[in-house]
Amino acid sequence: QVTLRESGPALVKPTQTLTLTCTFSGFSLSTSGMCVSWIRQPPGKALEWLALIDWDDDKYYSTSLKTRLTISKDTSKNQVVLTMTNMDPVDTATYYCARTRGMIVVVGGKPRRFYNWFDPWGQGTLVTVSS
Amino acid sequence: QSALTQPASVSGSPGQSITISCTGTSSDVGSYNLVSWYQQHPGKAPKLMIYEVSKRPSGVSNRFSGSKSGNTASLTISGLQAEDEADYYCCSYAGSSTLHLFGTGTKVTVL
Repeated sequence: QVTLRESGPALVKPTQTLTLTCTFSGFSLSTSGMCVSWIRQPPGKALEWLALIDWDDDKYYSTSLKTRLTISKDTSKNQVVLTMTNMDPVDTATYYCARTRGMIVVVGGKPRRFYNWFDPWGQGTLVTVSS
Repeated sequence: QSALTQPASVSGSPGQSITISCTGTSSDVGSYNLVSWYQQHPGKAPKLMIYEVSKRPSGVSNRFSGSKSGNTASLTISGLQAEDEADYYCCSYAGSSTLHLFGTGTKVTVL
């Protein structure tokens, strides 16, 4: 059974750095095709993809947030960490981590990586940014 | 890149069929068969319902089906049931720069 659980502070002050940890079980991030993504959802609003790290330690970030985000993994601990700098009240949201499926496909004779679905998701952790 | 466009709300009576659209561009939905759909009940985490446009994960009812035409993907729920009342989000792979785009979300109401 695959499970993921997010942990981190419930409250951060503006300009502070947020550090969230995703602890997972039931799969290994050293297995080809396995990835973990972070996704957030402000209260009453839509989902927003933030970042992904794959089995080869390739990292990808939301274009609009890439200067503030860092994703890393500790394969031995089955953990993925997301840091977001310079937090602002608009960053108040529930933050989810989710297992993501990646794959390598040969396109035009060259291997290309594609990233697919999110399943399952963690329960989410609400982070409020306020002074 | 902007979020994919979904209708804000769709409703139907029990037993009816409804369809939720998800409109993107030729850079995301139109370029890849990597569209997925998620169901989210209030206060809960999203659940994968459809992946790769039309595939159903194990355990998901066959009342849920997906399709795609051009830059628009669709989720159809047939035989609508009270438990289907939830928010639904589409998501598409959008290339190695943006990676993933979610839709704006659709609230499904069972009348």
